[in-house]
This record gives sequence, C-alpha cells and structure tokens, in this order.
Amino acid sequence: EIVLTQSPDTLSVSQRDSVTLSCRASQSVSASQVAWYQQRPGQAPRILIYGASTRAPGIPDYFRGSGSGTDFFLTITSVEPEDVAVYYCHQYGSSPLTFGGGTKVEIK
Amino acid sequence: QVQVVQSGTQVKRPGSSVKVSCEFSGGTFNNYAFSWVRQAPGQGLEWVGGVIPTFETAYYGHKFEGRVTITAHHSARTVSLELNTVTAQDTAVYFCAKTRLRYVFPYFAFTDVWAQGTTVIVS
Repeated sequence: EIVLTQSPDTLSVSQRDSVTLSCRASQSVSASQVAWYQQRPGQAPRILIYGASTRAPGIPDYFRGSGSGTDFFLTITSVEPEDVAVYYCHQYGSSPLTFGGGTKVEIK
Repeated sequence: QVQVVQSGTQVKRPGSSVKVSCEFSGGTFNNYAFSWVRQAPGQGLEWVGGVIPTFETAYYGHKFEGRVTITAHHSARTVSLELNTVTAQDTAVYFCAKTRLRYVFPYFAFTDVWAQGTTVIVS
C-alpha cells in the first residue's frame, strides 16, 4: 500500500500569499496518478487537480499541481479567504487507493 | 448534470451491520466506477473501496476486506455499502463518489463528483 505523507500539517498565511503544499509517496506513483482535493469546513471534498497537474473543470488557475515519482506539490499562488480548507492528496495509481493526511490552510 | 445523492444519518449498535446507499443521476451508470470514502470525526479521508458496475466487480481497502460489501444495482442506478460487525471506530461520515473509470488495473481513477455524505454513529 502506498502511504502518502503531507506536509506541513497546518499553514497559516496572509491573504494573497503564495503557498506550496507537499505530498510525498512511500513509493513511486505510476504515471503521476495523483489528485488533490479541497475540503471546506462542513462540506464534501472537491476535486482540484488530477494527473498531478491537470486542473479540474471550473478550478481557477491560481491552483497549480506539479511533481512526479514520489514528490507532488499543490501551489496556491494567491490565497483568498474562500481557500481556507483542508487539502488532501490522493493516489490512484495502485490498489488500494490511498489519501494523504491533509494540510490545513488558514488565514492569519 | 451528474449527481450522486446519499441516504440519511444512521445510528447503530456495536456488533450490528450498517447499509448506506447512494443514487446516481444525470449520466450513464455503466461509464463510471463508484468509490466509498469515509471520514472519522476530525480525521482525514480513507478509501473504503469501490465498485465498477460494468464489470460487476468490487475492490476493497485492506483493512475492510472481509467486513464490507459494495454492490451496484443497475436498474435502480444505486450503489450500496454494507459494513458488518461495526464498532465505535466505524463512526464516521461515509461519502459516495463517482469515480472516473480506467480500463487497466486498478480501474479506479480520481473521483470527480461527491455526494453529501452519510453520518453513521455507532453507539
């Protein structure tokens, strides 16, 4: 089973800051089959990125995914108040599918 | 518009079974897979397993094998999850999600439409 480790646990940033969230896999993820989800308080998760770097429909371009192999990143280039949420990475390259533990983004 | 809608909150006694269902609409049922993901209070996301209706095959996370059954019901366009011998550690929100289908193992790609979640309380 591929274990995904996200860091940091919490990011406290100012509005319009740029932030980068990290997701490290315990082994290489086949064909960059990594997605990122945003979960706002009290809501279901929402897909942001799939295939490591492809934005899902309707996702603003200030969300950017990158990485390959065992290291993947989500960059929010200008954090807005509506981006306060927990962000999860997810690998679907091998079974069983797994999720990272999440990174909470909050605004100072 | 593709939608996935789940059944409501359930309260169960330890040792009993719980069955949660979700209904799919707005697309072709057999074109997708469906995943179940759970989230314990204050915790992260955990893949329970999923089903591929067109293959009539389900796959499960290691810790759930032998205790969970996920089934697709074609005529009703619903997917169900049944978890047996529940304990307090199974208290969680259970999400059903439409998942893109791949035609190579492990067949499940990313989930792109999530239902609202069903709260299961074991007490």
